[in-house]
Amino acid sequence: GAGVSQSPSNKVTEKGKDVELRCDPISGHTALYWYRQSLGQGLEFLIYFQGNSAPDKSGLPSDRFSAERTGGSVSTLTIQRTQQEDSAVYLCASRGLASETQYFGPGTRLLVL
Amino acid sequence: GESVGLHLPTLSVQEGDNSIINCAYSNSASDYFIWYKQESGKGPQFIIDIRSNMDKRQGQRVTVLLNKTVKHLSLQIAATQPGDSAVYFCAEKDGNNDMRFGAGTRLTVKP
Repeated sequence: GAGVSQSPSNKVTEKGKDVELRCDPISGHTALYWYRQSLGQGLEFLIYFQGNSAPDKSGLPSDRFSAERTGGSVSTLTIQRTQQEDSAVYLCASRGLASETQYFGPGTRLLVL
Repeated sequence: GESVGLHLPTLSVQEGDNSIINCAYSNSASDYFIWYKQESGKGPQFIIDIRSNMDKRQGQRVTVLLNKTVKHLSLQIAATQPGDSAVYFCAEKDGNNDMRFGAGTRLTVKP
């Protein structure tokens, strides 16, 4: 497809389990972002990938959170030992090299019980 | 510190009326602005953007106004429809720094 895709769309897990969230950016987009959105809140920046440069991890809330981007395309956000406060919508966005506009995926709704 | 925010967290309008959603920003170096629309259960969707060398930009039923003097951004929606009900985010960017997003305004359209 032409847009950013994310999977799964919904994830329910138990406290203490690990989860992996996937993002497929728009083809050719070199920049990829992960955000977290709690209910009724704005976007919280988590991590940013740009090409082959070292990622900007300054927004990751704890060392339980990590992300990879293999081959400069697909990205995986991993949350280890999930906590109830991790429940949120996790949004991925991508941006072309010559563009300033980020295009968002539909998000993954994570619920930690 | 520098921030992006919104004057009104919620806005309720009658179908067919015009809507105005406001956003204040504090970074005088910001030179690029975007409005996003986020419907329930979906990701933010790009609506319209504007650069700091412009005061006004129009799209289909939407207009963005930028007042750099008072660092104010607004989104006007003409003839608001039920499908316009959503949360609207403004975002701003300066130079090489990345986007910063406001908290959002929830627009509700009454039939």
